[in-house]
Amino acid sequence: DGGITQSPKYLFRKEGQNVTLSCEQNLNHDAMYWYRQDPGQGLRLIYYSQIVNDFQKGDIAEGYSVSREKKESFPLTVTSAQKNPTAFYLCASRKSGELFFGEGSRLTVL
Amino acid sequence: SQQGEEDPQALSIQEGENATMNCSYKTSINNLQWYRQNSGRGLVHLILIRSNEREKHSGRLRVTLDTSKKSSSLLITASRAADTASYFCATDDTGGYNKLIFGAGTRLAVHP
Repeated sequence: DGGITQSPKYLFRKEGQNVTLSCEQNLNHDAMYWYRQDPGQGLRLIYYSQIVNDFQKGDIAEGYSVSREKKESFPLTVTSAQKNPTAFYLCASRKSGELFFGEGSRLTVL
Repeated sequence: SQQGEEDPQALSIQEGENATMNCSYKTSINNLQWYRQNSGRGLVHLILIRSNEREKHSGRLRVTLDTSKKSSSLLITASRAADTASYFCATDDTGGYNKLIFGAGTRLAVHP
């Protein structure tokens, strides 16, 4: 089936640790996005990528990093510099205006 | 920066009633989209309306767009318990780099 696969679905991290969230798509879309969602709030854009080997900071990029070495993959690293990383993270790809989302990864910092 | 702002923040109705959600935005747009999110899940695209369109229908969904007022509405007719979800509007940043900006959403509860 075509779609966006995010892993892991749940992740626990100790303070000071970096973690990487995986996002893979087999839709052959060029554009990919990472959003953060906090309880009761909307989505805030972390990073986005229009093509391979290119990505741009969104509104809340501090404490995060990404790479786009392959069209299918857009992993997000939450670094220890992110002061409040506990959140729900959503990855998406885009074609013809519409975003296709994964099921999300819930990160909890202990 | 948040482009779209939904209103109301929460809406509670009975099955069979209509649900109307509104979205306001601040800058010029190419199009406006509505998405649905079930609790703890990813978002699902519902409908896209372009800036030169005023109304669009999809099944029980009706979306309107008023670019002069920078606002849009989503109407769900004859609501069902399965429509219980959060609904978000999203707009393209015309000055940006193909960014899609989301509002805070409306939480809809449809009671049997």
